[in-house]
Amino acid sequence: AQSVTQLDSQVPVFEEAPVELRCNYSSSVSVYLFWYVQYPNQGLQLLLKYLSGSTLVKGINGFEAEFNKSQTSFHLRKPSVHISDTAEYFCAVSVRNSGNTPLVFGKGTRLSVIA
Amino acid sequence: NAGVTQTPKFQVLKTGQSMTLQCAQDMNHEYMSWYRQDPGMGLRLIHYSVGAGITDQGEVPNGYNVSRSTTEDFPLRLLSAAPSQTSVYFCASSVSGELDTQYFGPGTRLTVL
Repeated sequence: AQSVTQLDSQVPVFEEAPVELRCNYSSSVSVYLFWYVQYPNQGLQLLLKYLSGSTLVKGINGFEAEFNKSQTSFHLRKPSVHISDTAEYFCAVSVRNSGNTPLVFGKGTRLSVIA
Repeated sequence: NAGVTQTPKFQVLKTGQSMTLQCAQDMNHEYMSWYRQDPGMGLRLIHYSVGAGITDQGEVPNGYNVSRSTTEDFPLRLLSAAPSQTSVYFCASSVSGELDTQYFGPGTRLTVL
């Protein structure tokens, strides 16, 4: 079975500073990887996803993530954060060619951007 | 397109009461799912459906029932509410479950007293 570990439950960072949110996954088979963002009192929306090809994936709002197969990681980065990036971020994994096996989510990382 | 809609937005129940959380999507997605979100626990899958007439259990199915009679609707039934079911419930839909973007509804905040 797959599992996702988000290594930090909370990350405070000053505005305009860089940030990295860490995600490691466990799976014995090939996977697809996702980052979702949840703004306060809203549902989740897709930030970016890795399906195949280049291991560096660019998403919305200036975020990017790098797939590292050897380290089974998919860390999310942004070079300069804004107050509006304050939200909860979820890493998720699904199994390739699994016949619609559901996504498995991590427990989330709460990013707080400080002015 | 309205996307994924959920009703009600808020609900308070007493222990033992039953209710149905509604979820509808207008994107003709085959795949729909229900999650609950609790502090520090992330999202946990309750039930999912890969098409009309087909449902399956997720990680935390106990105390919940689902059915999928149409592509558009995927209601979640609480048979006899318990305080442990106090949570925020999200419905999501996608073209498929594997590699496609999941579209989430705005959530239903349920409190069981």
